[in-house]
Amino acid sequence: DAMVIQNPRYQVTQFGKPVTLSCSQTLNHNVMYWYQQKSSQAPKLLFHYYDKDFNNEADTPDNFQSRRPNTSFCFLDIRSPGLGDAAMYLCATSGEGGSGANVLTFGAGSRLTVL
Amino acid sequence: GQNIDQPTEMTATEGAIVQINCTYQTSGFNGLFWYQQHAGEAPTFLSYNVLDGLEEKGRFSSFLSRSKGYSYLLLKELQMKDSASYLCAVRDRNYQLIWGAGTKLIIKP
Repeated sequence: DAMVIQNPRYQVTQFGKPVTLSCSQTLNHNVMYWYQQKSSQAPKLLFHYYDKDFNNEADTPDNFQSRRPNTSFCFLDIRSPGLGDAAMYLCATSGEGGSGANVLTFGAGSRLTVL
Repeated sequence: GQNIDQPTEMTATEGAIVQINCTYQTSGFNGLFWYQQHAGEAPTFLSYNVLDGLEEKGRFSSFLSRSKGYSYLLLKELQMKDSASYLCAVRDRNYQLIWGAGTKLIIKP
């Protein structure tokens, strides 16, 4: 089945220790997104890629970086995690830039705990 | 600013019907989505409305009134597995998705 896969599902790190979360997709979608979601809150868009064009949201902290080496893979790097970065990180894909009824397909998420 | 409003939490009884409302103020409108999210899991797509009216899909229906900036998700014949958060999201004029914080639906036997 075509899908979006995130690894790891659960990540525990220490304050300030870098973390990398990965996302892969078999949908051949050209748009990929990284969202941060805290408990009982709306997902917050961190970045998105339209093909290789990188789009950083204005309020995404510099502590968060992203890479997309090819269509299938995308990475989220948190350079120095703080306690406030503990959250669920969701990767999503869509087929185009948002026209029509292009639906986001989400991965299962990576839950980050910062000690 | 752009804003999506949904009730924080609702409770309903198994077998009953529940309506979850969503109101929005956005810069333009290019469609409204409803997603279901079980605790600790990723959101999954439920429905999409871009024109006024009702879209029915099995036990779930979604309604849109663009002039009122209003939508609702109607869930019929509630089952225990419907206990989840329901997220309303609107695509604005720049095709950016604006998300609501979600409505936590609790189903009681």
